[in-house]
Amino acid sequence: EPEVTQTPSHQVTQMGQEVILRCVPISNHLYFYWYRQILGQKVEFLVSFYNNEISEKSEIFDDQFSVERPDGSNFTLKIRSTKLEDSAMYFCASRDIEEQFFGPGTRLTVL
Amino acid sequence: GDSVTQMEGPVTLSEEAFLTINCTYTATGYPSLFWYVQYPGEGLQLLLKATKADDKGSNKGFEATYRKETTSFHLEKGSVQVSDSAVYFCALRRNTGGFKTIFGAGTRLFVKA
Repeated sequence: EPEVTQTPSHQVTQMGQEVILRCVPISNHLYFYWYRQILGQKVEFLVSFYNNEISEKSEIFDDQFSVERPDGSNFTLKIRSTKLEDSAMYFCASRDIEEQFFGPGTRLTVL
Repeated sequence: GDSVTQMEGPVTLSEEAFLTINCTYTATGYPSLFWYVQYPGEGLQLLLKATKADDKGSNKGFEATYRKETTSFHLEKGSVQVSDSAVYFCALRRNTGGFKTIFGAGTRLFVKA
């Protein structure tokens, strides 16, 4: 069964550093998403991406964040100059016509 | 804007007890509704869904019915098991625009043997 994959599973970084979180969506899907879950809190929408551009973003998704689909398979989330409060689980998702499939998440820890 | 409200946890039950986790939503139009489950240390798994009013989603003994008149999608299971211990998220997705999913705060369920 096809699935969304994410790497790394856990990323530790120093405050102020840049991180890139990687996702491989399901191959025939056209819509891609990033969500964030701060420990013990709800899952929050960050951004949706379609046809090589952002289709919607939340107020959380400020200039510190960017997304890219650098090739036909990967979908990345870049966080510039990380802050302590960026520590969270980041979920990638991709969608076909009916359903959204979530990846297992990347746990980002900012020290 | 769209939102999902679900009952606060934690909910603690004994094995074989009946489970209800309440969920209500606010949305314009006709969203699709979902329940996701998150086991400790894992990601989000789709548990069940309903795409229109009066639809009943079901999976692994869990059920939820899309009630447009009460804007609710309560999760139920007749007999819980220890292995059902997890966090349960109610969610909605608008079927227009970017199709983002909006989640409730999550309800943690503990089932005791």
